[in-house]
Amino acid sequence: QSALTQPASVSGSPGQSITISCTGTSSDVGGHDFVSWYQQHPDKAPKLMIYEVSNRPSGISIRFSGSKSGNTASLTISGLQAEDEADYYCSSYSSSNTQVFGTGTKVTVL
Amino acid sequence: EVQLVESGGGLVQSGGSLRLSCAASGFTFTIYWMHWVRQAPGKGLVWVSRIYGDGSSISYADSVRGRFTVSRDTAKNTVYLQMNSLRGEDTAVYFCARASRNCSGGNCHSTDAFDIWGQGTMVTVSS
Repeated sequence: QSALTQPASVSGSPGQSITISCTGTSSDVGGHDFVSWYQQHPDKAPKLMIYEVSNRPSGISIRFSGSKSGNTASLTISGLQAEDEADYYCSSYSSSNTQVFGTGTKVTVL
Repeated sequence: EVQLVESGGGLVQSGGSLRLSCAASGFTFTIYWMHWVRQAPGKGLVWVSRIYGDGSSISYADSVRGRFTVSRDTAKNTVYLQMNSLRGEDTAVYFCARASRNCSGGNCHSTDAFDIWGQGTMVTVSS
């Protein structure tokens, strides 16, 4: 149950696009389409942004999109805005009926 | 309103026990997977455990297996996390979360994505 690997930090200017990667193995990210992404602001509970690799829950901006290739999933934020500054975590179902989160990425809007 | 409210956190000595509760409201409790996730101060999210609607299926992270026990009371719409043999590394905010369901053509499945979260309850284990 090793954590999925994410970059520690990603930054971009307002209006730009950024992409956060999430690398796992064939037992988690590569073996299932149950990959999700969460946004967490300081001292707040996480918020679901993407589920099943690329689906957006109701109310989530179309600026957020997800994809997957092999053992790596990605979250792209387009048209970066100040309120997007937060920590982002990926998560995946893993074999043996467990779940695993990514190491987390701090997004900074310059 | 769909919501989850955790309670039961606090300060406990190393080796001690604590029971967390997660009260659910606003949805049909028995058809959802419910999960516990923790976050140590300044650290990332870590999955802890999950339990299925009727309590028939349960899983744990390796780090807590044998020490933590998850259960649910469907009459009270509440999920519990019994934590025994607590260690310093168990110090964290504990969240309960609901895994959403995706339905198509009358068939539904869990997405293993957490759409509803509680506010979290802090557990501090002192040595």
